[in-house]
Amino acid sequence: SAVISQKPSRDICQRGTSLTIQCQVDSQVTMMFWYRQQPGQSLTLIATANQGSEATYESGFVIDKFPISRPNLTFSTLTVSNMSPEDSSIYLCSAFAGLKNIQYFGAGTRLSVL
Amino acid sequence: AQTVTQSQPEMSVQEAETVTLSCTYDTSESDYYLFWYKQPPSRQMILVIRQEAYKQQNATENRFSVNFQKAAKSFSLKISDSQLGDAAMYFCASSNYGGATNKLIFGTGTLLAVQP
Repeated sequence: SAVISQKPSRDICQRGTSLTIQCQVDSQVTMMFWYRQQPGQSLTLIATANQGSEATYESGFVIDKFPISRPNLTFSTLTVSNMSPEDSSIYLCSAFAGLKNIQYFGAGTRLSVL
Repeated sequence: AQTVTQSQPEMSVQEAETVTLSCTYDTSESDYYLFWYKQPPSRQMILVIRQEAYKQQNATENRFSVNFQKAAKSFSLKISDSQLGDAAMYFCASSNYGGATNKLIFGTGTLLAVQP
């Protein structure tokens, strides 16, 4: 299994600002993922982050809005840029660990944009 | 493209009773994984149970079991002896087997209430 620490756990931000969310895994992992969960909704994949390469973004998500860094095999960041109230969501990171194709999740970051 | 459908937005069960949550999926892959995740109010996504599509035997984890019907593309979760701590949002999900992205595709979730 894997323990994934995510911070901040919540934040309230002003329109037009940016927030960087950090995700730390307690073991080396190849693939990390960032999801968005809008209020009362399911999880939608934003992007896949592999160490040493550009993140792969899903349809509807762009690098300028959600830049991702993956500097090593245990850490990743997601930045939500130029925020608007529509960005108010829970953002979750996850990672594969072990050989059983299981994704483990962080506790999420609850973002509110005023 | 993979899709996952959960047709029950909300369910309720009495403590100690059994409840079944439904999930159907669609995929063109021959090998894939299916999962049930639980999300309590704490927001932490917790893996409940996992099924490999090439295995005919239904997965079980203590009070949790699945009914995997590959031909029907159905993957329901049965919770036996329901406990108050089982109250949460339950998401069904699928992923490719050994694919380049291995991303999870989630259903819309079923909110389970457990009545004392």
